[in-house]
Amino acid sequence: QKEVEQDPGPLSVPEGAIVSLNCTYSNSAFQYFMWYRQYSRKGPELLMYTYSSGNKEDGRFTAQVDKSSKYISLFIRDSQPSDSATYLCAMRENTGANSKLTFGKGITLSVRP
Amino acid sequence: DAGITQSPRHKVTETGTPVTLRCHQTENHRYMYWYRQDPGHGLRLIHYSYGVKDTDKGEVSDGYSVSRSKTEDFLLTLESATSSQTSVYFCAISGGLAGPDTQYFGPGTRLTVL
Repeated sequence: QKEVEQDPGPLSVPEGAIVSLNCTYSNSAFQYFMWYRQYSRKGPELLMYTYSSGNKEDGRFTAQVDKSSKYISLFIRDSQPSDSATYLCAMRENTGANSKLTFGKGITLSVRP
Repeated sequence: DAGITQSPRHKVTETGTPVTLRCHQTENHRYMYWYRQDPGHGLRLIHYSYGVKDTDKGEVSDGYSVSRSKTEDFLLTLESATSSQTSVYFCAISGGLAGPDTQYFGPGTRLTVL
């Protein structure tokens, strides 16, 4: 079993839909969780960064962490065509640059106008 | 892309030739990383640096070497390129005001080894 599993996709939704993106993990030592967004032929950009279990909201985006189930989610409300991108979850055990970041494989989202 | 440039942006080379990719930052961040991104594998860490002349291996370091002689530059060298090293390579930096945990990525270098 890989350390981080992410729904393979691709995912296509109509504009205005609520999108749910999910990752599961097997390493219970992971404590810090991130979501990156990557537009086609660009580098990933950090979207959300969470530490504890629970929800964190930023505009139309909500990151949810459930450490007991080893499950994280990213919700996008009122999705827009500009949200069309690949979304990668990432996680690490500790803080500090020497702590390795483990990525999911990413899921490609397409929002249809 | 957070003051990070990568060069070249695209390269086609032949098996057995040496290749050097450059990452340049203008943010004065302490930490720099090299990743490769492949379909079905996601992003994987090749090498990273935690200061000038201080580097360490990541999970897929075989066939790669790195050097960092200045804070702003981090070089990735493929000593003898193989077709399995065809990939998109991303540089990342961290260590600014946002702390060591927030990594900012460059635009990527698309490398094809024939």
